[in-house]
Amino acid sequence: GAVVSQHPSWVICKSGTSVKIECRSLDFQATTMFWYRQFPKQSLMLMATSNEGSKATYEQGVEKDKFLINHASLTLSTLTVTSAHPEDSSFYICSARLTGGRETQYFGPGTRLLVL
Amino acid sequence: AQSVTQLDSQVPVFEEAPVELRCNYSSSVSVYLFWYVQYPNQGLQLLLKYLSGSTLVKGINGFEAEFNKSQTSFHLRKPSVHISDTAEYFCAVSDGGAQKLVFGQGTRLTINP
Repeated sequence: GAVVSQHPSWVICKSGTSVKIECRSLDFQATTMFWYRQFPKQSLMLMATSNEGSKATYEQGVEKDKFLINHASLTLSTLTVTSAHPEDSSFYICSARLTGGRETQYFGPGTRLLVL
Repeated sequence: AQSVTQLDSQVPVFEEAPVELRCNYSSSVSVYLFWYVQYPNQGLQLLLKYLSGSTLVKGINGFEAEFNKSQTSFHLRKPSVHISDTAEYFCAVSDGGAQKLVFGQGTRLTINP
């Protein structure tokens, strides 16, 4: 139980294009999902908290116009990297918290983005 | 604000030896504590968590951790490691309110035969 998937698992795109990453909770409903970014050999940094049906809450320093988050249903959140540049290349990981659950986040397998 | 410090960036051990990965946290409120494991190019898998109650927490794959409030620590231990335990281990804390996780820098556990 509590499986989270991400799609795609990896993507290569040209600079200036936009990339959408999907995060799905497969066997549970998630009112809240989280988006993290991880640079090589570093820890996870929270980018934003996504709540179903409302605007995402972004962490300080994260550009909300560049990283668009949509959480339209209880099982799906999307992160769109707009006008991607090489410095946006990273490993993006989402997590989901059970609706009614208060503490445990379940993580997706991650999406590796390479911007050329 | 909360913070987590993992004192060792890398820990090499021999197979079947015991291991301890150290984690210290700082917080002004009651916390929930977690250990996650990350295998190469994968997401994070929950090993164990402390929410309340017994300070000794047992998790998957033979791991356990002990919450020590006075020392603000939550060290992870395993009595006998296996090659398959080679991975990156992250300690994390949340405040129980906003539920946001703050991660430590990670400890790379390498098991040598």
